Amino acid sequence: AQKITQTQPGMFVQEKEAVTLDCTYDTSDQSYGLFWYKQPSSGEMIFLIYQGSYDEQNATEGRYSLNFQKARKSANLVISASQLGDSAMYFCAMREGSGGSNYKLTFGKGTLLTVNP
Amino acid sequence: KAGVTQTPRYLIKTRGQQVTLSCSPISGHRSVSWYQQTPGQGLQFLFEYFSETQRNKGNFPGRFSGRQFSNSRSEMNVSTLELGDSALYLCASSLGAGVYYNEQFFGPGTRLTVL
Repeated sequence: AQKITQTQPGMFVQEKEAVTLDCTYDTSDQSYGLFWYKQPSSGEMIFLIYQGSYDEQNATEGRYSLNFQKARKSANLVISASQLGDSAMYFCAMREGSGGSNYKLTFGKGTLLTVNP
Repeated sequence: KAGVTQTPRYLIKTRGQQVTLSCSPISGHRSVSWYQQTPGQGLQFLFEYFSETQRNKGNFPGRFSGRQFSNSRSEMNVSTLELGDSALYLCASSLGAGVYYNEQFFGPGTRLTVL
């Protein structure tokens, strides 16, 4: 079974509107971290936001917020007031806390976001 | 503070050759991880090094190896290159290893093309 599922291969949004990118995850660990990364066409992975499994409040970083629903095992990224520079591939990732090889980041397939002017 | 640097940025090799990629982590970061990104397989974990020791290894053949130096810089080596090794190789650094909450910061990647 996939650990991280991103069901939206591509998304379109108008400039200045908000957009939600979906992410569901699968783990039996109690301790884990969820991350979102942005990858522009240049290839570099840019860290956006982090949510820990024990964090009670949703994480926010500027225009980015993470809608964390633990019972549903979802960690959706919300981008408010989209900008043209937000056009990129977005990856959801998880790092589990049980140790060993699980400390690696496991990535979803990504969502390609296009912001239209 | 300087970010993660990777050299070279682009490489073209032929089948059967070997290649060495280099990664310098953010100053103070002691953990370096390597990932392979291809259109078909997505992002896959290769290995992680911390204090010159390999802590974790992904499901890749033995042709893929790495090491970490005392200054935390890391190198990744691929021997006997195959066409399927063409990919973007990303290096990521983090403060420590063995905890789930450390963010990993990525370098710009090395794009390897095998002909």
